[in-house]
Amino acid sequence: NAGVTQTPKFRILKIGQSMTLQCTQDMNHNYMYWYRQDPGMGLKLIYYSVGAGITDKGEVPNGYNVSRSTTEDFPLRLELAAPSQTSVYFCASSRRGTGGEYSNQPQHFGDGTRLSIL
Amino acid sequence: AQTVTQSQPEMSVQEAETVTLSCTYDTSENNYYLFWYKQPPSRQMILVIRQEAYKQQNATENRFSVNFQKAAKSFSLKISDSQLGDTAMYFCAFMTPPGGSQGNLIFGKGTKLSVKP
Repeated sequence: NAGVTQTPKFRILKIGQSMTLQCTQDMNHNYMYWYRQDPGMGLKLIYYSVGAGITDKGEVPNGYNVSRSTTEDFPLRLELAAPSQTSVYFCASSRRGTGGEYSNQPQHFGDGTRLSIL
Repeated sequence: AQTVTQSQPEMSVQEAETVTLSCTYDTSENNYYLFWYKQPPSRQMILVIRQEAYKQQNATENRFSVNFQKAAKSFSLKISDSQLGDTAMYFCAFMTPPGGSQGNLIFGKGTKLSVKP
């Protein structure tokens, strides 16, 4: 059971470079999320998606972009890497719960990507 | 805006003993969900337990149980018979209700729990 798979696990970028963090899930979940976790802090939501073709901003979206062309994949793009984006990034997914568009189901997390911007 | 506060940055417990981790939250909503997630050194985020605000009965999962006090906006986690494998960061999380962001989690800053042999 693969669950949520994130690649790469580690990456070092130079300031101004761009990269894409990959996330794929094989549970046919409708909802997918990107979080960042700074040292000593909880996770903060960057972007989320409620289904293919639909994305929306979370709490800290600046400097990032996402796309959701398929149910399985939800890549996160950094266009111009900045030191403030040094963090651990987590992708998560959950299935649709009760209440229509609202997901009250537990989120399943990937193992994270540790990203350093130097 | 909803907030989640974990007032204990670090805690320790002896193996086989019981420990309680505190969590308070602030919201004006009546219907919501609360979670405890565990993050061991491997960095995985693992769901420990989940509580629906409309349920009065406290959730339990084997050695893990919660004390949910809705009026006080308190959601503590009790770990019984602590095991070395329970050593981890524990995050309390709040899920926003319908009408807001679609089910995203708001996390506290975490409590680092060390289980000592």
